Amino acid sequence: AQSVTQLGSHVSVSEGALVLLRCNYSSSVPPYLFWYVQYPNQGLQLLLKYTTGATLVKGINGFEAEFKKSETSFHLTKPSAHMSDAAEYFCAVRYSNSGYALNFGKGTSLLVTP
Amino acid sequence: DGGITQSPKYLFRKEGQNVTLSCEQNLNHDAMYWYRQDPGQGLRLIYYSQIVNDFQKGDIAEGYSVSREKKESFPLTVTSAQKNPTAFYLCASSTTGNTEAFFGQGTRLTVV
Repeated sequence: AQSVTQLGSHVSVSEGALVLLRCNYSSSVPPYLFWYVQYPNQGLQLLLKYTTGATLVKGINGFEAEFKKSETSFHLTKPSAHMSDAAEYFCAVRYSNSGYALNFGKGTSLLVTP
Repeated sequence: DGGITQSPKYLFRKEGQNVTLSCEQNLNHDAMYWYRQDPGQGLRLIYYSQIVNDFQKGDIAEGYSVSREKKESFPLTVTSAQKNPTAFYLCASSTTGNTEAFFGQGTRLTVV
């Protein structure tokens, strides 16, 4: 079954530093992978997605992620953190047997310090 | 504007009562989903529907029920059989393909 594991429930970076949020997937078929962001008491907003084609995917707000099949990874990065990036981030993969539903990781809370 | 509307934003329920959460979308999406979010547990799938008048159980369907009588609407009922209903509930929709899901703003349910 398709699933994702997010390493690190909390990540803290300084403003201006590199952001790296880790996601590894488990899938028996080529995966469709997604990163979402959630601000407190709000819904989820899509940052970026990988379906097919180019393995380096660029998203909104300066984020990007690289699909690495050999490492079964889809890590999210941003070169320079802003205070406004503080939020909860979720990696997701499409379920294999639940229609088109997404299976989410447990999330990583990003803290950005001045 | 197109989107997904969940109501109410906050909901309080007494133990033993059923309560229904509303989810409406005007994106013309065929598929709709309900997720439950608890701190540190990510999002867990409750029910999903790929077409009107059809729905399937997700990973944690016990104590919940849904209906899909219209394409635009997918209400979730939290029944008294749900032992720990206090949580943040998120509704989502998507096309029936390998595309992303769009989310509503959520309903926070508290049992008092």
